[in-house]
Amino acid sequence: GQNIDQPTEMTATEGAIVQINCTYQTSGFNGLFWYQQHAGEAPTFLSYNVLDGLEEKGRFSSFLSRSKGYSYLLLKELQMKDSASYLCAVIEGDYKLSFGAGTTVTVRA
Amino acid sequence: GAVVSQHPSWVICKSGTSVKIECRSLDFQATTMFWYRQFPKQSLMLMATSNEGSKATYEQGVEKDKFLINHASLTLSTLTVTSAHPEDSSFYICSARGEASSYEQYFGPGTRLTVT
Repeated sequence: GQNIDQPTEMTATEGAIVQINCTYQTSGFNGLFWYQQHAGEAPTFLSYNVLDGLEEKGRFSSFLSRSKGYSYLLLKELQMKDSASYLCAVIEGDYKLSFGAGTTVTVRA
Repeated sequence: GAVVSQHPSWVICKSGTSVKIECRSLDFQATTMFWYRQFPKQSLMLMATSNEGSKATYEQGVEKDKFLINHASLTLSTLTVTSAHPEDSSFYICSARGEASSYEQYFGPGTRLTVT
């Protein structure tokens, strides 16, 4: 089974930086995904980490520490369109994705 | 590439009726498809995993006789909610995995089911 924890809500100002933390407990870890989900829509892929370290992709970066069971998603230069729910998901075993409850990010002007 | 579609995007049905939701991989062959359910302000919960030509594997607590899954081809999986009740109202999302060596799943746009 999985225990995946992430904050429920975060608010930030346009142009700022926000860091969303995710902690997990799992067996058979095969990687961690971050997804963005707008209300009423399906999740869209942001990043995948399987090795320790930072992966940078444009304004979004994701970090993983397997020994600590910890990841974060960093959103830089926030834009209004970044207001969404951000889901941390862990791959267990061959394919099973287990999702955290999601963090709702609200970007204010 | 890697587009997954779902049909219908929303459906309203009466209590006691059955509803079928289709999930298609449009530009790739999906070795495995997944069905998730998401209640308001909650995260996605995996319901079942289906491989083409074999029976679906259901997660604990998901009634296989109520949620019928058929994966008849490498590009199509269907979820039928039988004898739907208001508590089955939810957002149903499918995803598909292409290569067996890849962990990435491609999500469909979701189907909003409302049972009255």
